[in-house]
Amino acid sequence: QSVLTQPPSVSGAPGQRVTISCTGSSSNIGAGYDVNWYQQLPGTAPKLLIYVNNNRPSGVPDRFSGSRSGTSASLAITGLQAEDEADYYCQSYDSSLSGSWVFGGGTKLTVL
Amino acid sequence: QVQVQESGPGLLKPSETLSLKCTVSAYPLSSGFYWGWIRQAPGKGLEWIGSIYHSGSTFYNPSLKSRVTISVDTSKNQFSLKLSSVTAADTAVYYCARQIVGTSGLDYYMDVWGKGTTVTVSS
Repeated sequence: QSVLTQPPSVSGAPGQRVTISCTGSSSNIGAGYDVNWYQQLPGTAPKLLIYVNNNRPSGVPDRFSGSRSGTSASLAITGLQAEDEADYYCQSYDSSLSGSWVFGGGTKLTVL
Repeated sequence: QVQVQESGPGLLKPSETLSLKCTVSAYPLSSGFYWGWIRQAPGKGLEWIGSIYHSGSTFYNPSLKSRVTISVDTSKNQFSLKLSSVTAADTAVYYCARQIVGTSGLDYYMDVWGKGTTVTVSS
């Protein structure tokens, strides 16, 4: 059971907009800690997609955006493309117990 | 361009100690940042194992803390992971990554990842 909760799967047609939610609690996202997002294409290592809530590393298309509100965060992908089919993970810091960096369980995005 | 690469044995028997190294290129470990280990069991999500600061201070996942040791060798620009008393549940792809500080002193994100190394625990 992950500390951060993501839907197991989402899907959308090419060109559509999809969002992936990441629900936490008062000891992580709700405490104001940053949310970061990673994209993992099939058979490859994770890649940083969004950092510090809504910032894109160089080379990441502006079709990807992040937001945070309360105890939740969201990743939005507009103009969906076939190459976006991947697993997406949110990540934050959790202050419970001794503190740790935590990931969501991951969301599989299928492009129809 | 900073790169990290994992290396180590791919097959272990139950109760043995897993030992992996992460070699960092194009960036001196001693210059800063946290350096971490993350794993992914087959068909599962990502799990943070632990991290080491460039100064040598460590930070471990509470659920693995009793079995994990992370160390750094700045002369070789490497950091290492040891996980004792492995079981089949430790079978996973193990990644090393560089961690950059975010908004606060506790917010870190992983900006550079290795390709991962597969470790299988089987008798």
